[in-house]
Amino acid sequence: LAKTTQPISMDSYEGQEVNITCSHNNIATNDYITWYQQFPSQGPRFIIQGYKTKVTNEVASLFIPADRKSSTLSLPRVSLSDTAVYYCLVGDLAMNYGGSQGNLIFGKGTKLSVKP
Amino acid sequence: KAGVTQTPRYLIKTRGQQVTLSCSPISGHRSVSWYQQTPGQGLQFLFEYFSETQRNKGNFPGRFSGRQFSNSRSEMNVSTLELGDSALYLCASGTGTGGNKLHFGNGTRLTVT
Repeated sequence: LAKTTQPISMDSYEGQEVNITCSHNNIATNDYITWYQQFPSQGPRFIIQGYKTKVTNEVASLFIPADRKSSTLSLPRVSLSDTAVYYCLVGDLAMNYGGSQGNLIFGKGTKLSVKP
Repeated sequence: KAGVTQTPRYLIKTRGQQVTLSCSPISGHRSVSWYQQTPGQGLQFLFEYFSETQRNKGNFPGRFSGRQFSNSRSEMNVSTLELGDSALYLCASGTGTGGNKLHFGNGTRLTVT
């Protein structure tokens, strides 16, 4: 099972670009890489998902190198409202891995603090 | 479109009791998965149901169980509660057809005393 590692915290200022990297050395062939944002007292909110190379949507970009052993979430021009915890998730919910082992592994989360 | 609804929002139980949590997914979603969130362990996957069948299970003891109904609504049950079961329990729904684009509810905060 892929174990994920991400920084515990990061600080930034409004208007800057923020890059958060997640390491997942044992990622399986069928695993997706997904990032979520969570505010206090709320459930996580989907940001972006990728399998390989680069994915971009209206709020973020996700960079995945060829070996897929890490991924980087890029948030352009952050604002105060981007202050939250960001989770990296590796796995595939639709894949039946069998047995009793979980197939979705969340990172411990990166607490991003954006300052004015 | 209504989001994922979890009830109740807060729950206080005594050690040894059992508890049932409910989750109503987004209309049309056939996959419902459950997660435990604690400050020490972070977000941990409990299990996932797809079309009323448990498709995957995390590494939790048998005291944690769940089920899914024909309308995709799901319940999670924890028997013989322990103090360490105090946590935020989150459910998420999705299409279940590949990938992990999930829609989470705001959770049920369970406190075991």
